[in-house]
Amino acid sequence: RKEVEQDPGPFNVPEGATVAFNCTYSNSASQSFFWYRQDCRKEPKLLMSVYSSGNEDGRFTAQLNRASQYISLLIRDSKLSDSATYLCVVSPSYQLTFGKGTKLSVIP
Amino acid sequence: DGGITQSPKYLFRKEGQNVTLSCEQNLNHDAMYWYRQDPGQGLRLIYYSQIVNDFQKGDIAEGYSVSREKKESFPLTVTSAQKNPTAFYLCASSMYARQGDYGYTFGSGTRLTVV
Repeated sequence: RKEVEQDPGPFNVPEGATVAFNCTYSNSASQSFFWYRQDCRKEPKLLMSVYSSGNEDGRFTAQLNRASQYISLLIRDSKLSDSATYLCVVSPSYQLTFGKGTKLSVIP
Repeated sequence: DGGITQSPKYLFRKEGQNVTLSCEQNLNHDAMYWYRQDPGQGLRLIYYSQIVNDFQKGDIAEGYSVSREKKESFPLTVTSAQKNPTAFYLCASSMYARQGDYGYTFGSGTRLTVV
């Protein structure tokens, strides 16, 4: 089993749609969880941390299920500017382990 | 403004040459990392350093070397022993003790092409 596995994508959605990304991780000792966003040919940028109680930042909601070792990211009312690759990131130690990412294209 | 700077942005290397990629940060972060990203692939860890004068191999260290003589700097040398060096190289840093809270800050990357 891969350390961090994400939906392969790509996801092509119309503007205004709600889209959900899923991610599973294999190391049950993982302590920290993040979603990063990576635009084409750019560096990854931290989108949000993921907390056990779930957390929301505007149109973005992240959820963590430690028992199932599952993380999700929900984007509501998607915008053209949300088009990017979304990376699920897990930290079992002092290093981060990155998923391969799911590409999102928001279509007018 | 604090940040992490990678240079050059684009680098072309002839086969058999060593090249050095620069990474400098003024965030006062303890830990620094080098990743490689190939098209359609995830980030793979090359080397990391948690403290000055100490560094550890990552998952794909063969053909690469690093140094950490200053807290601010973590240069990566791609040697001629690296069989397929063409890739996007990303440097990152984190506040060592609290990286779990804040994750990593990335530089803007260096695209290396072997010609």
